[in-house]
Amino acid sequence: GENVEQHPSTLSVQEGDSAVIKCTYSDSASNYFPWYKQELGKRPQLIIDIRSNVGEKKDQRIAVTLNKTAKHFSLHITETQPEDSAVYFCAANLNSGYALNFGKGTSLLVTP
Amino acid sequence: ETGVTQTPRHLVMGMTNKKSLKCEQHLGHNAMYWYKQSAKKPLELMFVYSLEERVENNSVPSRFSPECPNSSHLFLHLHTLQPEDSALYLCASSQVAAVRSYNEQFFGPGTRLTVL
Repeated sequence: GENVEQHPSTLSVQEGDSAVIKCTYSDSASNYFPWYKQELGKRPQLIIDIRSNVGEKKDQRIAVTLNKTAKHFSLHITETQPEDSAVYFCAANLNSGYALNFGKGTSLLVTP
Repeated sequence: ETGVTQTPRHLVMGMTNKKSLKCEQHLGHNAMYWYKQSAKKPLELMFVYSLEERVENNSVPSRFSPECPNSSHLFLHLHTLQPEDSALYLCASSQVAAVRSYNEQFFGPGTRLTVL
């Protein structure tokens, strides 16, 4: 079936460094790509999303890029801080609709 | 209460029990979702209720039965579960304008289910 692959599964960076998480998807009809952050013991929360009519979107220290031809999208976090430590999930919508397919998640650890 | 709420937050049940999970959204949304979150696995979409249709993941066993009496409430009825069904069950809601539309999904805190 349609799926979303996410890499790496774990990522450790030092405070102030950048972190990059990459995802690929297989559904050609996908046109909405959200990223969710889930802190330990808490619910997933949307941090940024991108739609297929743009190639890049930025919100302060986080940015997402999309390459529709290659079916790749990536999350970039700059100037990482310890509070960025969490599990990050990428997702792609199924068949241009409202149901989402999620990646397996990336556990990001930012060490002081 | 605001946002998406779920009860109970924790549930331990035997394989022969019948229980129900409840979700309520206070956001005025018209779509509600059930997800299963297991360790080292993607968030798995189980069921969606939206625009008067129900969409289900065909891989979900029949021992899970959803019910959506109105746009604000969603239930997941559980019966004769297996230990491998132990997981965090998350509810979410969103506002959907049409079948080919999408919007942010807001998640509840989840129910941590343990099947003995």
